[in-house]
Amino acid sequence: DGGITQSPKYLFRKEGQNVTLSCEQNLNHDAMYWYRQDPGQGLRLIYYSQIVNDFQKGDIAEGYSVSREKKESFPLTVTSAQKNPTAFYLCASSVTGAREAFFGQGTRLTVV
Amino acid sequence: DQQVKQNSPSLSVQEGRISILNCDYTNSMFDYFLWYKKYPAEGPTFLISISSIKDKNEDGRFTVFLNKSAKHLSLHIVPSQPGDSAVYFCAAHHDTGTASKLTFGTGTRLQVTL
Repeated sequence: DGGITQSPKYLFRKEGQNVTLSCEQNLNHDAMYWYRQDPGQGLRLIYYSQIVNDFQKGDIAEGYSVSREKKESFPLTVTSAQKNPTAFYLCASSVTGAREAFFGQGTRLTVV
Repeated sequence: DQQVKQNSPSLSVQEGRISILNCDYTNSMFDYFLWYKKYPAEGPTFLISISSIKDKNEDGRFTVFLNKSAKHLSLHIVPSQPGDSAVYFCAAHHDTGTASKLTFGTGTRLQVTL
Protein backbone atom coordinates (compact mmCIF):
# COMPACT_ATOMS: atom_id res chain seq x y z
CA ASP A 1 0.00 0.00 0.00
CA GLY A 2 1.27 3.49 -0.81
CA GLY A 3 1.56 5.93 2.01
CA ILE A 4 3.61 7.90 4.47
CA THR A 5 5.13 6.21 7.49
CA GLN A 6 6.27 8.12 10.53
CA SER A 7 8.14 6.47 13.33
CA PRO A 8 8.05 6.17 16.20
CA LYS A 9 4.46 7.05 17.11
CA TYR A 10 5.48 8.16 20.61
CA LEU A 11 8.89 9.47 21.59
CA PHE A 12 10.27 10.63 24.89
CA ARG A 13 13.39 12.71 25.13
CA LYS A 14 15.40 14.08 27.98
CA GLU A 15 15.88 17.79 28.01
CA GLY A 16 19.08 18.79 26.21
CA GLN A 17 19.18 15.79 23.87
CA ASN A 18 18.76 15.80 20.12
CA VAL A 19 16.22 13.41 18.63
CA THR A 20 15.43 12.40 15.04
CA LEU A 21 11.93 11.69 13.75
CA SER A 22 11.62 9.43 10.76
CA CYS A 23 9.41 10.02 7.71
CA GLU A 24 9.32 7.66 4.73
CA GLN A 25 6.97 7.74 1.74
CA ASN A 26 6.44 5.35 -1.16
CA LEU A 27 4.10 7.58 -3.12
CA ASN A 28 6.89 8.77 -5.43
CA HIS A 29 6.18 12.34 -4.36
CA ASP A 30 8.86 14.95 -4.92
CA ALA A 31 7.73 17.37 -2.22
CA MET A 32 7.85 16.63 1.51
CA TYR A 33 6.95 18.73 4.52
CA TRP A 34 7.21 18.78 8.30
CA TYR A 35 4.53 20.41 10.41
CA ARG A 36 4.09 20.84 14.12
CA GLN A 37 0.75 20.86 15.92
CA ASP A 38 0.23 22.29 19.39
CA PRO A 39 -3.05 22.32 21.34
CA GLY A 40 -5.37 25.06 20.09
CA GLN A 41 -3.09 25.88 17.20
CA GLY A 42 -3.08 24.95 13.58
CA LEU A 43 -0.39 23.08 11.77
CA ARG A 44 2.72 25.19 11.49
CA LEU A 45 5.32 24.54 8.80
CA ILE A 46 8.81 23.69 10.03
CA TYR A 47 10.72 22.70 6.88
CA TYR A 48 9.89 21.63 3.37
CA SER A 49 11.70 20.08 0.45
CA GLN A 50 10.68 20.20 -3.18
CA ILE A 51 13.45 17.95 -4.46
CA VAL A 52 16.26 15.68 -3.27
CA ASN A 53 19.23 17.49 -1.70
CA ASP A 54 17.28 20.71 -1.36
CA PHE A 55 15.11 22.06 1.46
CA GLN A 56 13.85 25.38 2.79
CA LYS A 57 12.91 26.75 6.18
CA GLY A 58 9.27 27.10 6.97
CA ASP A 59 7.68 29.45 9.47
CA ILE A 60 9.16 27.93 12.65
CA ALA A 61 12.48 26.33 11.64
CA GLU A 62 14.54 27.49 14.63
CA GLY A 63 15.83 24.56 16.67
CA TYR A 64 15.17 22.02 13.90
CA SER A 65 17.21 20.50 11.09
CA VAL A 66 16.39 18.22 8.16
CA SER A 67 18.07 16.31 5.36
CA ARG A 68 16.79 15.03 2.04
CA GLU A 69 19.32 12.53 0.72
CA LYS A 70 16.70 10.25 -0.80
CA LYS A 71 13.37 10.99 -2.45
CA GLU A 72 11.56 8.65 -0.07
CA SER A 73 12.98 9.98 3.18
CA PHE A 74 12.83 13.32 5.00
CA PRO A 75 14.01 12.94 8.62
CA LEU A 76 13.56 15.79 11.10
CA THR A 77 16.01 16.39 13.95
CA VAL A 78 14.75 18.26 16.96
CA THR A 79 17.82 19.80 18.53
CA SER A 80 18.44 20.94 22.08
CA ALA A 81 18.11 24.51 20.78
CA GLN A 82 14.36 24.03 20.31
CA LYS A 83 12.86 25.70 23.39
CA ASN A 84 9.47 23.96 23.41
CA PRO A 85 9.87 20.65 21.60
CA THR A 86 6.91 18.84 23.15
CA ALA A 87 4.34 18.64 20.35
CA PHE A 88 2.70 16.44 17.73
CA TYR A 89 4.83 16.30 14.57
CA LEU A 90 3.33 15.58 11.18
CA CYS A 91 5.10 14.71 7.97
CA ALA A 92 3.40 15.21 4.61
CA SER A 93 4.17 14.78 0.94
CA SER A 94 2.71 15.93 -2.35
CA VAL A 95 3.20 15.79 -6.07
CA THR A 96 5.18 18.85 -7.12
CA GLY A 97 2.77 21.65 -7.93
CA ALA A 98 -0.23 19.83 -6.48
CA ARG A 99 -2.31 21.54 -3.85
CA GLU A 100 -3.25 18.50 -1.82
CA ALA A 101 -0.76 17.07 0.66
CA PHE A 102 -0.95 13.60 2.18
CA PHE A 103 -0.08 13.19 5.83
CA GLY A 104 1.51 10.50 7.94
CA GLN A 105 0.06 9.38 11.28
CA GLY A 106 2.26 11.69 13.30
CA THR A 107 4.82 11.38 16.08
CA ARG A 108 4.09 12.69 19.54
CA LEU A 109 7.29 13.96 21.11
CA THR A 110 7.42 14.56 24.85
CA VAL A 111 10.40 16.12 26.57
CA VAL A 112 10.84 14.86 30.12
CA ASP B 1 0.07 37.22 11.63
CA GLN B 2 -2.53 34.52 11.10
CA GLN B 3 -3.41 34.38 7.44
CA VAL B 4 -6.04 31.65 7.83
CA LYS B 5 -8.48 31.90 10.72
CA GLN B 6 -11.08 29.57 12.10
CA ASN B 7 -12.77 31.63 14.78
CA SER B 8 -14.92 28.85 16.24
CA PRO B 9 -12.80 26.40 18.20
CA SER B 10 -15.75 24.03 18.64
CA LEU B 11 -19.19 23.26 17.30
CA SER B 12 -21.88 20.86 18.48
CA VAL B 13 -24.57 19.65 16.08
CA GLN B 14 -27.32 17.10 16.39
CA GLU B 15 -27.19 14.03 14.14
CA GLY B 16 -29.07 14.62 10.89
CA ARG B 17 -28.74 18.39 11.05
CA ILE B 18 -26.42 20.60 9.03
CA SER B 19 -22.91 21.42 10.26
CA ILE B 20 -21.39 24.68 9.04
CA LEU B 21 -17.70 25.31 9.63
CA ASN B 22 -16.25 28.69 8.77
CA CYS B 23 -12.86 29.96 7.69
CA ASP B 24 -11.52 33.42 6.88
CA TYR B 25 -8.29 34.35 5.14
CA THR B 26 -6.32 37.50 4.47
CA ASN B 27 -3.88 36.69 1.68
CA SER B 28 -5.22 37.39 -1.81
CA MET B 29 -2.49 35.21 -3.31
CA PHE B 30 -4.13 32.00 -2.10
CA ASP B 31 -5.32 30.12 -5.16
CA TYR B 32 -6.85 26.99 -3.66
CA PHE B 33 -8.56 26.10 -0.42
CA LEU B 34 -8.78 22.71 1.22
CA TRP B 35 -10.53 21.14 4.18
CA TYR B 36 -8.89 18.39 6.18
CA LYS B 37 -10.43 16.17 8.83
CA LYS B 38 -8.38 14.98 11.78
CA TYR B 39 -8.99 12.40 14.48
CA PRO B 40 -6.95 12.48 17.72
CA ALA B 41 -3.40 11.12 17.43
CA GLU B 42 -3.75 10.68 13.66
CA GLY B 43 -2.67 12.65 10.64
CA PRO B 44 -5.16 14.88 8.82
CA THR B 45 -6.97 13.41 5.84
CA PHE B 46 -8.05 15.43 2.84
CA LEU B 47 -11.77 16.03 2.59
CA ILE B 48 -12.65 18.51 -0.14
CA SER B 49 -11.15 21.49 -1.94
CA ILE B 50 -12.12 24.48 -4.05
CA SER B 51 -10.29 26.62 -6.55
CA SER B 52 -10.29 30.37 -6.01
CA ILE B 53 -12.07 30.79 -9.35
CA LYS B 54 -15.06 28.77 -8.17
CA ASP B 55 -17.70 29.60 -5.59
CA LYS B 56 -18.97 26.13 -4.78
CA ASN B 57 -17.79 22.54 -4.82
CA GLU B 58 -19.87 19.59 -3.75
CA ASP B 59 -18.91 16.01 -2.92
CA GLY B 60 -21.63 13.87 -1.43
CA ARG B 61 -22.60 15.22 1.97
CA PHE B 62 -19.85 17.83 1.87
CA THR B 63 -20.07 21.21 0.15
CA VAL B 64 -17.55 24.02 0.29
CA PHE B 65 -18.57 27.60 -0.50
CA LEU B 66 -16.14 30.38 -1.31
CA ASN B 67 -16.90 34.09 -1.08
CA LYS B 68 -13.80 35.65 -2.54
CA SER B 69 -14.85 39.25 -1.98
CA ALA B 70 -15.33 38.54 1.72
CA LYS B 71 -12.28 36.26 1.86
CA HIS B 72 -14.47 33.67 3.52
CA LEU B 73 -15.16 30.00 2.96
CA SER B 74 -17.39 27.52 4.67
CA LEU B 75 -17.80 23.77 4.80
CA HIS B 76 -21.32 22.38 4.99
CA ILE B 77 -21.95 18.82 6.09
CA VAL B 78 -25.47 17.56 5.63
CA PRO B 79 -26.77 15.41 7.11
CA SER B 80 -24.24 15.29 9.95
CA GLN B 81 -23.32 11.86 11.28
CA PRO B 82 -21.62 10.78 14.53
CA GLY B 83 -18.59 9.63 12.52
CA ASP B 84 -18.10 13.23 11.39
CA SER B 85 -16.99 14.13 14.92
CA ALA B 86 -13.39 15.29 14.47
CA VAL B 87 -11.29 18.42 14.17
CA TYR B 88 -11.61 20.16 10.82
CA PHE B 89 -8.79 22.27 9.46
CA CYS B 90 -9.12 24.83 6.73
CA ALA B 91 -5.99 25.21 4.60
CA ALA B 92 -5.03 27.69 1.90
CA HIS B 93 -2.57 27.03 -0.89
CA HIS B 94 -0.23 29.38 -2.63
CA ASP B 95 2.65 28.86 -4.97
CA THR B 96 5.62 31.05 -4.08
CA GLY B 97 7.40 30.33 -7.34
CA THR B 98 9.90 28.06 -5.65
CA ALA B 99 7.53 26.12 -3.47
CA SER B 100 3.97 25.01 -3.08
CA LYS B 101 2.78 25.75 0.46
CA LEU B 102 -0.28 25.15 2.61
CA THR B 103 -1.21 27.50 5.44
CA PHE B 104 -3.55 26.02 8.03
CA GLY B 105 -6.14 27.48 10.34
CA THR B 106 -6.34 26.55 14.01
CA GLY B 107 -9.11 24.01 13.52
CA THR B 108 -12.72 23.58 14.64
CA ARG B 109 -13.71 20.61 16.75
CA LEU B 110 -17.04 19.24 15.54
CA GLN B 111 -19.11 17.09 17.87
CA VAL B 112 -22.13 15.38 16.34
CA THR B 113 -24.53 14.27 19.04
CA LEU B 114 -27.19 11.59 18.88
